[in-house]
This record gives sequence, structure tokens and C-alpha cells, in this order.
Amino acid sequence: SQQGEEDPQALSIQEGENATMNCSYKTSINNLQWYRQNSGRGLVHLILIRSNEREKHSGRLRVTLDTSKKSSSLLITASRAADTASYFCATDARDYGGSQGNLIFGKGTKLSVKP
Amino acid sequence: DTGVSQNPRHKITKRGQNVTFRCDPISEHNRLYWYRQTLGQGPEFLTYFQNEAQLEKSRLLSDRFSAERPKGSFSTLEIQRTEQGDSAMYLCASSPYRDSHTQYFGPGTRLTVL
Repeated sequence: SQQGEEDPQALSIQEGENATMNCSYKTSINNLQWYRQNSGRGLVHLILIRSNEREKHSGRLRVTLDTSKKSSSLLITASRAADTASYFCATDARDYGGSQGNLIFGKGTKLSVKP
Repeated sequence: DTGVSQNPRHKITKRGQNVTFRCDPISEHNRLYWYRQTLGQGPEFLTYFQNEAQLEKSRLLSDRFSAERPKGSFSTLEIQRTEQGDSAMYLCASSPYRDSHTQYFGPGTRLTVL
């Protein structure tokens, strides 16, 4: 079963605009990660935020975490056509009984940035 | 490029045939994961190795699926008697022992079962 649910499922914006994607999860976590997947390719790790952090930045990425609402958001500022991809949040299975650290992914948000 | 590599990148097979995929993780990464991803979904965990030991298998991994990592380096995933429902992208990921949260993914093997 999937732990995270991203919202929206699809997002289309113009180059230069900001893109915000949200992720909700069901159980307590120790950390949450965001990954990007370009069409037909493997996933690339973007950023990890720990449960005791509320906000984290990496270049044009800003991630927030609200553990009381069990939600996270990913903001991409000044988007570029190259940001076109699917974005997934992922939690660690060890946070809810798993033993080996496999990731549990949401269904993803498909972002399209038009030039 | 010293990232995770997977071969083949694409595989088309007929129902009932056996297929085998290979994953070469980043060297010195002792953890290796297999995931399956279908269209419009996120990756779903299949199985996990620490060195050569297969430590966990998902209920998604039916008896027709088998994975090995004989020397703790590369891994193979075999699907016997393929079914159309096996059509998916099969992703391999590896992580180092000291930073097991972050996983490094390969480009995947896209399987199409006709």
C-alpha cells in the first residue's frame, strides 16, 4: 500500500512561475524524502527532511513538513522547462514496522513546465 | 558514470517466457533494492538485499519471481512464466550502509509482456 498521497496529480505552469506540490501521509515518520523522475527514467533524490525540521532549502527547492497535519510540500521556484517531471514523496518503511528501510512512495505529481 | 546501471533497458517477451534483469549497484553500496512501477503509480517495493543476503520480500513478489545477489555486488531478478500483468518498469536502487535513507536509482528495465 502507498503511504503518501501527492496533490495535485498533475500541474501545468509557465516557465518562471512557482510550482507547489503537496504530500500527505498516514503514520508518524522520522523523515520524508522527495524524488524526481523524468519521463521513462529512474528516480533522482532531491531532498530529505527530518521530523524535527519544519523547512529545508536546496537551490530552487523548498520543502516544508507539518507533522501535526502529516503533510509536506515541495516548492520549486522560478521553474524551468527542465523541471518537467513527476515528483514523488517517499517515507521509510521502518517508520511503521518495516525492518529494512525500503521506501514507500506516493502516486506522484506530474509537473509540466511550458517554455 | 558510476551510478546504478540496469540491463537490459527494454525487454519485450511473449507470455509464458522467462526473463532475467540485471542490476549493478554503486560500488561499495551494500544495500540493494528492487521496485516495480506501473504507469501512473509510484514505485512499489519488491525485495531487498544487504550484501548477499535477501532480507525481505514483498507480498508482491510471487513464486514466479526470484532475485539473487550471489557475491554481494550485482543482482538479478528473474520472472518465470511471464504474464501480461508483469508488464512494468523494474527499478533497482542501492544505498550505502551509513546513509541508508537516501537511495540511488538506476534507469530501470521496461518489461512488456505480449
